[in-house]
Amino acid sequence: DAKTTQPPSMDCAEGRAANLPCNHSTISGNEYVYWYRQIHSQGPQYIIHGLKNNETNEMASLIITEDRKSSTLILPHATLRDTAVYYCIVRLGKNTNAGKSTFGDGTTLTVKP
Amino acid sequence: DVKVTQSSRYLVKRTGEKVFLECVQDMDHENMFWYRQDPGLGLRLIYFSYDVKMKEKGDIPEGYSVSREKKERFSLILESASTNQTSMYLCASSFWRGLGTDTQYFGPGTRLTVL
Repeated sequence: DAKTTQPPSMDCAEGRAANLPCNHSTISGNEYVYWYRQIHSQGPQYIIHGLKNNETNEMASLIITEDRKSSTLILPHATLRDTAVYYCIVRLGKNTNAGKSTFGDGTTLTVKP
Repeated sequence: DVKVTQSSRYLVKRTGEKVFLECVQDMDHENMFWYRQDPGLGLRLIYFSYDVKMKEKGDIPEGYSVSREKKERFSLILESASTNQTSMYLCASSFWRGLGTDTQYFGPGTRLTVL
């Protein structure tokens, strides 16, 4: 499975957009990009996923570059409750290897008042 | 709401003890996972299961075994606990969406300390 690289930490002002980058230069054609976040002392929570098109849901937007080697998670109006560790992972679709996705150290996003 | 529950939030065991960590999900999900989380190492997959009585090794299966006798329950077993198994253990479940993608739902975690 492809591995991902994320900056260890980022700050963002409350109310501003938070843009979290992820590099996945070895991603294969059938691997999806997923984002999760983990708020302190809780289990990770799913945010969004995509293959090659940009995606948006009620939580965030996901922008994937045309070559699929990197992506950006966008929280359009960050709040203090968005302070968390954000994980970018790549993952195959439905087959026996799909379970083997690795969550790295992620990016610790701190939203400041 | 999907609910994934784990039997304990905190557990303290002695070296050499047999330890059972239980995970139950209430949404009829096919897939279940066990991870451990350590500072600087992220979440690492121990075992996963795609169906009842089915299991597959993750990245770090050594020292662990699993059991899935019922669809809703996935147990992680430490046959003989060691101090290097002190960690946060996270269980997750998921179902297959269209196009073969899945969303994992995580439990709150069990912080295991082995003395």
